Amino acid sequence: KQEVTQIPAALSVPEGENLVLNCSFTDSAIYNLQWFRQDPGKGLTSLLLIQSSQREQTSGRLNASLDKSSGRSTLYIAASQPGDSATYLCAVSPYNQGGKLIFGQGTELSVKP
Amino acid sequence: DGGITQSPKYLFRKEGQNVTLSCEQNLNHDAMYWYRQDPGQGLRLIYYSQIVNDFQKGDIAEGYSVSREKKESFPLTVTSAQKNPTAFYLCASSIDEGTQPQHFGDGTRLSIL
Repeated sequence: KQEVTQIPAALSVPEGENLVLNCSFTDSAIYNLQWFRQDPGKGLTSLLLIQSSQREQTSGRLNASLDKSSGRSTLYIAASQPGDSATYLCAVSPYNQGGKLIFGQGTELSVKP
Repeated sequence: DGGITQSPKYLFRKEGQNVTLSCEQNLNHDAMYWYRQDPGQGLRLIYYSQIVNDFQKGDIAEGYSVSREKKESFPLTVTSAQKNPTAFYLCASSIDEGTQPQHFGDGTRLSIL
């Protein structure tokens, strides 16, 4: 059974720091891995999607990597800003399961001015 | 603008009552999903639909029912059989299952009176 784990559960950093969020999954048979952002009381916004054949994706100050063989993904945020404060979730889409996503518990990020 | 609309934003249920959560999308997506979010547990899949008039159970379908009579609509009914319905409910859609990013609505928060 696929399980997704995110470490740490919460992170507080000063503005301007570079930071890394971690995601691990137990079964490498996946279509893709997505990173989402969730603001309090809101839905999820897709930040980056990495197909199983890719190693990384970049969007602005965000870079996500995928190592399927070791079951790991990282989300790198450069030059963090207070507006980056949110909960970040990773999710994998398993093979042959109709597009369902298996989510981690999320990392709650707070960037202090 | 294309997107997913969930209503209502807040909903209260009395004991023994069924309630229905609305989800409408104008993205012309084939696949739609319902997730439940509890604090500290991430998101879990309730039901999903890959095409009109077809849907499958997710990991926690007991106490819930859905219908997919139109491509743009995927309502979720929380029945009286669901003994712990208090949660944040999120609807999502994607162009097809598996390979595309999922887009999320802003959620409905359900509480028990």
